[in-house]
Amino acid sequence: GAVVSQHPSRVICKSGTSVKIECRSLDFQATTMFWYRQFPKQSLMLMATSNEGSKATYEQGVEKDKFLINHASLTLSTLTVTSAHPEDSSFYICSGSQGATSAYEQYFGPGTRLTVT
Amino acid sequence: AQSVTQLDSHVSVSEGTPVLLRCNYSSSYSPSLFWYVQHPNKGLQLLLKYTSAATLVKGINGFEAEFKKSETSFHLTKPSAHMSDAAEYFCVVSDQIAGTASKLTFGTGTRLQVTL
Repeated sequence: GAVVSQHPSRVICKSGTSVKIECRSLDFQATTMFWYRQFPKQSLMLMATSNEGSKATYEQGVEKDKFLINHASLTLSTLTVTSAHPEDSSFYICSGSQGATSAYEQYFGPGTRLTVT
Repeated sequence: AQSVTQLDSHVSVSEGTPVLLRCNYSSSYSPSLFWYVQHPNKGLQLLLKYTSAATLVKGINGFEAEFKKSETSFHLTKPSAHMSDAAEYFCVVSDQIAGTASKLTFGTGTRLQVTL
């Protein structure tokens, strides 16, 4: 299957700082990218969906000014957590797809563990 | 609205014995259903998917699942467990609404433990 990478795999930052997470599709063009958040022993929760060159669509309850998503190219999307707080500590997972509908498989990255101290 | 319930948070089986991971779903539309596996430090991998074709779906690594509309279930099975099957498994539903973006709704996961 297609490969999606995330960088960094782990990051620790201080409260009040911002941190950027990169998501790259290595061998396919990801027209659509998705960002998920996973709390310990819980399921993945979709945060936002982004199409290349367009503004991201955020799920209800997700602060778009706090979680900035950029999808500037067909192989790269970034998630920036601004003014991070300890409650933002979580496992963030991205996925890429060659299309937006369920006909297209989502390929998932390995995740980034964010710890805010 | 769509939702999925994984009935067991943890399942333990002996190597060589059958595996059954249970999943029930709720969907307002004709759903697509998926099973993903998550190994530590690796991305989620698609095991199999159902998209309104054959109700018995065969996936990778010997796994299969049967879509039962009357029971709103999509249980994952494997005849004989292998040590390498130990991982977290997620049942996922997506409503097939023409012209709209796919939104995956994940279950809470089932951790499969395989013992010798």
